[in-house]
Amino acid sequence: AQSVSQHNHHVILSEAASLELGCNYSYGGTVNLFWYVQYPGQHLQLLLKYFSGDPLVKGIKGFEAEFIKSKFSFNLRKPSVQWSDTAEYFCAVRLPLTGANNLFFGTGTRLTVIP
Amino acid sequence: GAVVSQHPSRVICKSGTSVKIECRSLDFQATTMFWYRQFPKQSLMLMATSNEGSKATYEQGVEKDKFLINHASLTLSTLTVTSAHPEDSSFYICSASPRGGTGRYEQYFGPGTRLTVT
Repeated sequence: AQSVSQHNHHVILSEAASLELGCNYSYGGTVNLFWYVQYPGQHLQLLLKYFSGDPLVKGIKGFEAEFIKSKFSFNLRKPSVQWSDTAEYFCAVRLPLTGANNLFFGTGTRLTVIP
Repeated sequence: GAVVSQHPSRVICKSGTSVKIECRSLDFQATTMFWYRQFPKQSLMLMATSNEGSKATYEQGVEKDKFLINHASLTLSTLTVTSAHPEDSSFYICSASPRGGTGRYEQYFGPGTRLTVT
């Protein structure tokens, strides 16, 4: 079945550690890729997105993600996390060739940053 | 910009009653709005896609007679859970895509509504 996978369910890091959250998808055609963040008690916010062009995408708050088409992956990275990065992170895929705008979400990764 | 609100943020209702949840785009017009359901420690599951002025498109397995969606204007969509049961208790999230331009491929999310059916 077509899906979006986030294999890390809960990641715990100390401040200043580097972060990489995995995201893999199983759709074979053209994809648009997104990372959303949900801070405690808040709504989902867009961190970054990839539609086309440079596969290394830079987003807000120092986050970046790399689209590797051959690996069907779109991993999220940050070189040095802060306590304020504690949140739930969701990867999402849109299938533009379907003409639909709906997103398919991964199960999310909870990041806890220890001061 | 691109703010989406939901009302109410929390609602508790008795089994058998109906509950209406509103989703508003506050500073943009939204041709399309989406309704998601999020279970604890799980992903957002798309329930339906709502286009202004037309009938909603429901995902497989979602009962359209139970989850009534109305998108009467470019800034408002409503989800009505009819004859609610305890298994309908969940976190309901809406999102909206701006009308026109490259932003129409993005979704802006509301803060969600926690529904508890007793």
